[in-house]
Amino acid sequence: SQQGEEDPQALSIQEGENATMNCSYKTSINNLQWYRQNSGRGLVHLILIRSNEREKHSGRLRVTLDTSKKSSSLLITASRAADTASYFCATGINAGNMLTFGGGTRLMVKP
Amino acid sequence: KAGVTQTPRYLIKTRGQQVTLSCSPISGHRSVSWYQQTPGQGLQFLFEYFSETQRNKGNFPGRFSGRQFSNSRSEMNVSTLELGDSALYLCASSSGGGTAGETQYFGPGTRLLVL
Repeated sequence: SQQGEEDPQALSIQEGENATMNCSYKTSINNLQWYRQNSGRGLVHLILIRSNEREKHSGRLRVTLDTSKKSSSLLITASRAADTASYFCATGINAGNMLTFGGGTRLMVKP
Repeated sequence: KAGVTQTPRYLIKTRGQQVTLSCSPISGHRSVSWYQQTPGQGLQFLFEYFSETQRNKGNFPGRFSGRQFSNSRSEMNVSTLELGDSALYLCASSSGGGTAGETQYFGPGTRLLVL
């Protein structure tokens, strides 16, 4: 079963606009990570936010985490056509590296 | 450093056969995890190996098994293939020494088609 649910499932925007994706999860977590996947290839790690952090930035990415609401958001600013991909949130719970992924958001950025 | 490599990249099998997939982690990484990705079920965790021991296991039947060698390379095996096993199988590695949920470095995946 999937720990996280992502919203929206699909998002289409114009180049230059901002894209916001949301992730909700069910149980307490140690950290939450965001990954990107292009066209059924391997996943690329974007950012990791720990449970005691509320916000984190990396380049054009901004991630927030609200543990009281069990939710996170990923904001991509000034989007580019190259940002077109599927974005997944993943939570780490157990000891070790078992990640539980959400269903993903398919982002399309039109040039 | 070289990234995570997976072989083969594509595979076609028939029902009832078995298959072995291979994963070579990033040099120095001791944790290797396997995931199955399908359109219907999404990304699902199969198992994780750390220092040749299975550390975590997902909710998959016993037909799915894996192992890790002393050089951290890992293999997963699926016996008695079913049509529903058609999927992209992703391998991920990490250093393994951190707290729960380290950054995972994924390979390109092996796309398995079962006919």
